[in-house]
Amino acid sequence: DSGVTQTPKHLITATGQRVTLRCSPRSGDLSVYWYQQSLDQGLQFLIQYYNGEERAKGNILERFSAQQFPDLHSELNLSSLELGDSALYFCASSGRGRGNEQFFGPGTRLTVL
Amino acid sequence: DAKTTQPNSMESNEEEPVHLPCNHSTISGTDYIHWYRQLPSQGPEYVIHGLTSNVNNRMASLAIAEDRKSSTLILHRATLRDAAVYYCILRVRDVQGAQKLVFGQGTRLTINP
Repeated sequence: DSGVTQTPKHLITATGQRVTLRCSPRSGDLSVYWYQQSLDQGLQFLIQYYNGEERAKGNILERFSAQQFPDLHSELNLSSLELGDSALYFCASSGRGRGNEQFFGPGTRLTVL
Repeated sequence: DAKTTQPNSMESNEEEPVHLPCNHSTISGTDYIHWYRQLPSQGPEYVIHGLTSNVNNRMASLAIAEDRKSSTLILHRATLRDAAVYYCILRVRDVQGAQKLVFGQGTRLTINP
């Protein structure tokens, strides 16, 4: 158990819809990262937040947005969903460890029909 | 983004050492070499990281070439539980100073009983 929790575990929705994925980082970790894992693209970094502020951006689509709240939990919002958005979405957190190693949650499996 | 090259798959026997190679010829002086692994149906898990010197921890050893253009993850005595996809990653610092992990395709390690 990494200490990072993600809800929901599974999500099934239709094209054009909007969903919100939630992540609670390990206690004390200030950084939260979001990744997308699909069969054809592998693990792709989407975005990082540090203590409520956006810190780094990766291959995140404009239809996707994220935020980190004062209690440090984070939400990833996916809108105008397309079939190709079906994937596993992982959240990770890191603290002030020596290597800034990231601790990953169990993921949310999103299926867009 | 900085790239790494790994074999798609490797196979080994239980209780034998495993050497997982990684090439990162475009590595820059400030890039850390990280290894993560992903067990089936789980999120990635941190294994080890290093900058220039060889590193050991309870999970594995990391041998880094003198020119830093390649590295090898060593599992000293593989168990069935070590069957996973192993990712060699360069932790790069972008122009804003944020650090992110760029995952490649990884090496799928199979352990034979």
